[in-house]
Amino acid sequence: AQSVAQPEDQVNVAEGNPLTVKCTYSVSGNPYLFWYVQYPNRGLQFLLKYITGDNLVKGSYGFEAEFNKSQTSFHLKKPSALVSDSALYFCAVRNAGKSTFGDGTTLTVKP
Amino acid sequence: DTGVSQNPRHKITKRGQNVTFRCDPISEHNRLYWYRQTLGQGPEFLTYFQNEAQLEKSRLLSDRFSAERPKGSFSTLEIQRTEQGDSAMYLCASSSSGGADTQYFGPGTRLTVL
Repeated sequence: AQSVAQPEDQVNVAEGNPLTVKCTYSVSGNPYLFWYVQYPNRGLQFLLKYITGDNLVKGSYGFEAEFNKSQTSFHLKKPSALVSDSALYFCAVRNAGKSTFGDGTTLTVKP
Repeated sequence: DTGVSQNPRHKITKRGQNVTFRCDPISEHNRLYWYRQTLGQGPEFLTYFQNEAQLEKSRLLSDRFSAERPKGSFSTLEIQRTEQGDSAMYLCASSSSGGADTQYFGPGTRLTVL
């Protein structure tokens, strides 16, 4: 069985400050890990993924994520937050066909 | 726009009625997935297809739910005898056939059962 935990329901940061959205996972075998963002009444938009290789993955809109195998974590980061980054963020782990998602973290960036 | 499309975007129905949703994947993708999302939770896997073959079904998918992908292109998800607990956003995604290939999601169909 595979699982994902996003320990924070809500993250608040000021515009221009760095942001981190946390994710830990459990899966047998090598993990395929993903981050998605969801805006109100919209589907999920892909941000980035980790398959293998470099532990720091760069993605869309200036986001990056750091894979840490020993801590089974895949935290999403951005050096300087924008108000437009405010949204709901989901971490997911993939095994064969299906993805298992966390319950999401609402990011609010205040001006 | 060549992304994943879903119809209808919204569906309101009365308890006990049948509903059918349609998903059109990205044209070159041979995998298609259905997820269900309720308020405050992440998407939950329902089922997926590779071409026309349904490869996996979640235990969440009761016998009132059926999905098809008859020609390996679009897919339909039917819910028979709807219940209020079926109210949710139903999301469709597609990908190429690699195990780590990115799933691209459609906008979803919001179902409300009265």
